[in-house]
Amino acid sequence: KQEVTQIPAALSVPEGENLVLNCSFTDSAIYNLQWFRQDPGKGLTSLLLIQSSQREQTSGRLNASLDKSSGRSTLYIAASQPGDSATYLCAVGGSGNTGKLIFGQGTTLQVKP
Amino acid sequence: DAGVTQSPTHLIKTRGQQVTLRCSPKSGHDTVSWYQQALGQGPQFIFQYYEEEERQRGNFPDRFSGHQFPNYSSELNVNALLLGDSALYLCASSWRTGGSRDTQYFGPGTRLTVL
Repeated sequence: KQEVTQIPAALSVPEGENLVLNCSFTDSAIYNLQWFRQDPGKGLTSLLLIQSSQREQTSGRLNASLDKSSGRSTLYIAASQPGDSATYLCAVGGSGNTGKLIFGQGTTLQVKP
Repeated sequence: DAGVTQSPTHLIKTRGQQVTLRCSPKSGHDTVSWYQQALGQGPQFIFQYYEEEERQRGNFPDRFSGHQFPNYSSELNVNALLLGDSALYLCASSWRTGGSRDTQYFGPGTRLTVL
């Protein structure tokens, strides 16, 4: 059974700092991995999607890496801003191309001005 | 281009009642998945609909049921509500042929409170 874990559960950093969010999964037979952002009480916004054959994806100040063999992904946020404050969720797409996502519990990020 | 929409935004029910939540997928999408997100937790997969049939189901009791209409919109029904059903219910849409290849688009969610 696939399990997804995100560490830390919460993180507080000063504005401008570069930071790394971690995601680990127990079964390396994944189809892809997505990082989402969730603002309080709101839905999910997709940030980056990494296919199982890829090692990383970049969008603006965000970079996500994937290491299937070790069951890990990281989300790197450069030059953090107060507007980056939100909960970041990692989700694994299971094998078989089913579209079902298995989520971690999220990391709540606070960027202080 | 309208994204995924859900209604209602908020809902308050009492234990034992029944509730119906609605979702309209993003234009061009034909597959709808439902997720339950308890406070402070990640979303959990409930089920997925394609071609008006339930294709996959997560670890949820039969009290949770759904439907997909010919226009691809979907409903989630929960019977005999329990306090533990209080959560944010999220709908996600995608292309069936895309499967996990494509980004899933999530709606804003329906906040259900059971008293």
